[in-house]
This record gives sequence, C-alpha cells and structure tokens, in this order.
Amino acid sequence: KAGVTQTPRYLIKTRGQQVTLSCSPISGHRSVSWYQQTPGQGLQFLFEYFSETQRNKGNFPGRFSGRQFSNSRSEMNVSTLELGDSALYLCASSPVGGGGTGELFFGEGSRLTVL
Amino acid sequence: GENVEQHPSTLSVQEGDSAVIKCTYSDSASNYFPWYKQELGKGPQLIIDIRSNVGEKKDQRIAVTLNKTAKHFSLHITETQPEDSAVYFCAASLWNNDMRFGAGTRLTVKP
Repeated sequence: KAGVTQTPRYLIKTRGQQVTLSCSPISGHRSVSWYQQTPGQGLQFLFEYFSETQRNKGNFPGRFSGRQFSNSRSEMNVSTLELGDSALYLCASSPVGGGGTGELFFGEGSRLTVL
Repeated sequence: GENVEQHPSTLSVQEGDSAVIKCTYSDSASNYFPWYKQELGKGPQLIIDIRSNVGEKKDQRIAVTLNKTAKHFSLHITETQPEDSAVYFCAASLWNNDMRFGAGTRLTVKP
C-alpha cells in the first residue's frame, strides 16, 4: 500500500507570494490533517478534513487555508507569504473518521523556504 | 483547545541506559495518547499509543504510562541503542481526531 504522498518536497518562494501544497492520503483514509513544523515549536496543528469538510482548526491566521476533494486528496494554501512561514509542512492521513481517534500516518513533508 | 507540554527538550544517554520523556496535557476530555518518533528527513512515525482506559502499555523496550488524574503521561525506553536516537513527540487527542503535539524531545544515545 502506498504511503502518504506530499508534493512538492521542496520549494522556495518570496515574501508576498502564495503557495499551494498537495497531499495524497493512503488509499481508504478519509481524514487528512496538516501540521506546521518549525525548530523549537514542534508540530503545530493547522486543520483537519474529513469527507471534504473542515472538522478541526488550529490557531493560524486566515492566510492559511485548505480543502479536501472527493477522492480525499487535500491541498493547503498560504497566501501573502511571510518569512515566518518558512517551515516543514506535514500532512497526515488517518483511517478513523466518523468518531474516535487513531494513528496518524505522516508524509515526508513539503519544505517551504520564504525569502 | 488542547495544550501539550513535553520535557525535556533534549536528552542524552549512554547506550544501554534508560530514557524517560514526560508530557502533560490540559483537556481532561482527551482520550488517546500516542508517541511518535521522527528520524532525520522523514515524517513522524507512531511507536506506541495508549487510550484513556489503560494505565500502562508495553511493547518490548518501550513502555508508556498514563495518569489521568494528574493529566500526564510518560514514555520509557529501556536498554537504549544508537538507533533510538531521534526526535520523539507526544500527543493528545480528543474523540474527534483533533490531535495536538508536544514540542518534541531530541534523544541522543551515545555508543
């Protein structure tokens, strides 16, 4: 079974630009979560989608948005990039959806550098 | 929302010694407590988890304990090996899959 796939793996943007990151979950997983990882801050929760609906949201500004498609693939978008947005963005899928918690399966991340 | 604190941020042990990482959480409704290991250049991977109706769980050299009254849980690694060197994250999750992570512990096992 293929794991979680994130694209692109690396990207460089300049301040003020926007970026879209993509995540393909493990086949059959309907829940997709996004996290921002920076040194010293650990994994900061961005949002979680289940069946195309945003179910949970972390404490990030509105510049950070996401969506999920009917095939469970997900995208996140960051508009008006700031230097502080430089980070590793991790996507995780989970087989648990309608209720209850379970293991998250992480991709290898998309490393964003903002210059 | 849930807030998870993790200590220490770095931990260095000699091969063969034990390592203990501690976490506290704020939301008493959290019912799932996983631990993840992240190696360089990779995404975090689950190593052990515990649910709120269990006080302790063990898997070979790894064990996790949970104290719901005090709202803290710990990871214990015995007989550490160099390949245990990595960043470890604890997490706490509500029933609706809202999972929050600690800041991580960088474990170094010296041969």
